[in-house]
Amino acid sequence: RKEVEQDPGPFNVPEGATVAFNCTYSNSASQSFFWYRQDCRKEPKLLMSVYSSGNEDGRFTAQLNRASQYISLLIRDSKLSDSATYLCVAGGSGGSYIPTFGRGTSLIVHP
Amino acid sequence: DTGVSQNPRHKITKRGQNVTFRCDPISEHNRLYWYRQTLGQGPEFLTYFQNEAQLEKSRLLSDRFSAERPKGSFSTLEIQRTEQGDSAMYLCASSLADGGDTQYFGPGTRLTVL
Repeated sequence: RKEVEQDPGPFNVPEGATVAFNCTYSNSASQSFFWYRQDCRKEPKLLMSVYSSGNEDGRFTAQLNRASQYISLLIRDSKLSDSATYLCVAGGSGGSYIPTFGRGTSLIVHP
Repeated sequence: DTGVSQNPRHKITKRGQNVTFRCDPISEHNRLYWYRQTLGQGPEFLTYFQNEAQLEKSRLLSDRFSAERPKGSFSTLEIQRTEQGDSAMYLCASSLADGGDTQYFGPGTRLTVL
């Protein structure tokens, strides 16, 4: 079983739709969580950190469920420019920090 | 530009040759990470430094891979006796250890081994 699992998609949605991604992690000692966005042949760029209390940034909302060991990302009112791969990360375990990325979920927003 | 920089951006080499990549982190960041990414996969952690100390290197792919950060600033990743399977994007990221460890990535070095 992979340490961090994501549905690779692709998720094909029309502009204006709401779309949600989940990501599960296996290491219960993980302490920090993030969502990154990666465009084709570019480096990952931080989208948002994920906290137990949940956090929102404009159209994007991230949640962490420690009991079930998953994090989620909700995108409201999808734009064409949201088309990208979304990577989740879980990290922080004991004295040595090893961040583990999922393989990413591909989102395609069409007109 | 004060972001993470990596050089070279592209490297083509023949099997068996040694290659070295450089990463310059954001200046005030004390942590520096190296990752490998292949098509359709997320970044795969290789190693990281806090200042000049290499705190985790168990995930380096083989003994052909090594990394240094001699003065706690820039870092180099060396691959000896390259193999075709080493072809990938090599990403560097930096962060502040007490800043929630949010990582910022460089543009990567794309390695092609012929």
